[in-house]
Amino acid sequence: DTGVSQNPRHKITKRGQNVTFRCDPISEHNRLYWYRQTLGQGPEFLTYFQNEAQLEKSRLLSDRFSAERPKGSFSTLEIQRTEQGDSAMYLCASSANRGDYGYTFGSGTRLTVV
Amino acid sequence: QKEVEQNSGPLSVPEGAIASLNCTYSDRGSQSFFWYRQYSGKSPELIMSIYSNGDKEDGRFTAQLNKASQYVSLLIRDSQPSDSATYLCAVNRNTDKLIFGTGTRLQVFP
Repeated sequence: DTGVSQNPRHKITKRGQNVTFRCDPISEHNRLYWYRQTLGQGPEFLTYFQNEAQLEKSRLLSDRFSAERPKGSFSTLEIQRTEQGDSAMYLCASSANRGDYGYTFGSGTRLTVV
Repeated sequence: QKEVEQNSGPLSVPEGAIASLNCTYSDRGSQSFFWYRQYSGKSPELIMSIYSNGDKEDGRFTAQLNKASQYVSLLIRDSQPSDSATYLCAVNRNTDKLIFGTGTRLQVFP
């Protein structure tokens, strides 16, 4: 097991395009989280899954954002009609238990919208 | 008021000194507390967790928790240039998600 894997590592897209990111959690972890981090800020919670169920979505997650975890394994985060304000590091994390034991982050996907 | 507050720094300490990083939180119902280290351009890495009042030591790191005063601190003894990073405080309120502070940037100079 090599930890939480995120792809791609970097993505440059033009404003208005759609992008999709993938996260593969640690295999035995049933919880998967998406966070967004901008320069000089801490990670901000976007959404999380327990197995395939999406249990919470932040109000930061506008209608242009959608996340799925279809079989309770990998997850995808799609951003439609990207805007320059979407430029950020998108972090995925997973845990075997509730967040009260902390969790392991992937390397992140850095999105730049030009 | 932010849920988790940290001084953004930078905190500059000489090599070999003790670095002291502080964090306050607003929700008294918070149960679990974490320190993550984040190098520039990298993702956060969990370095300490603490759940009860008092001190918890792990190598050169000591986490301190005071629930009555709602603060958490991280001490790094014998600071090394390789400790230069942003340190993120995170809090869990007995739910599945962590709430992060903005981080404190630590610079250790030779």
